[in-house]
Amino acid sequence: AQSVTQLGSHVSVSEGALVLLRCNYSSSVPPYLFWYVQYPNQGLQLLLKYTSAATLVKGINGFEAEFKKSETSFHLTKPSAHMSDAAEYFCAVSDDSSYKLIFGSGTRLLVRP
Amino acid sequence: DAGVTQSPTHLIKTRGQHVTLRCSPISGHKSVSWYQQVLGQGPQFIFQYYEKEERGRGNFPDRFSARQFPNYSSELNVNALLLGDSALYLCASSWDRGANYGYTFGSGTRLTVV
Repeated sequence: AQSVTQLGSHVSVSEGALVLLRCNYSSSVPPYLFWYVQYPNQGLQLLLKYTSAATLVKGINGFEAEFKKSETSFHLTKPSAHMSDAAEYFCAVSDDSSYKLIFGSGTRLLVRP
Repeated sequence: DAGVTQSPTHLIKTRGQHVTLRCSPISGHKSVSWYQQVLGQGPQFIFQYYEKEERGRGNFPDRFSARQFPNYSSELNVNALLLGDSALYLCASSWDRGANYGYTFGSGTRLTVV
């Protein structure tokens, strides 16, 4: 069975600092991996996805993630945090035969002025 | 282009009642999925419908049911509401059934059961 673990339910950074949100997955088949962002009282917005092409994936709003098969990780990074990045971030996994996304429990990003 | 639209945005129901939530997918999308997001948790898969047929069901009781109409819009029905059904219900659409294409989510319906 597939699963996703997001380390750290809350991450706090200063404005302008590096953002690193961690995601580790478990999958017996080549996975598809996603990062979604959720702003308060809103739905989920796709930031980026990995579907077995380049291992370094660039997304919207300056975010990127690197697929590391040996570490079963798909960590999300952004070089410089903005106040507007404060939100909840979800990592999700799927595979070629699946119709559903398996989500992690989420990481709330706080950005300090 | 309109995104995924869900209605209503909020509602309050009493235990034991029935509720119907509605979703209109992005034009051209044939797949609609429903997810439940309890406060403080990640979304949990409930159903997927593709071309008006149920293609997948998550680990939810039979009180939960859904259907997809010829125009690809969808309804989620929940009978005999429990306090634990209080959650944000998210609808997601995709042009195909595979999750690898990535889903576009609506803003959700916040259901409160009292």
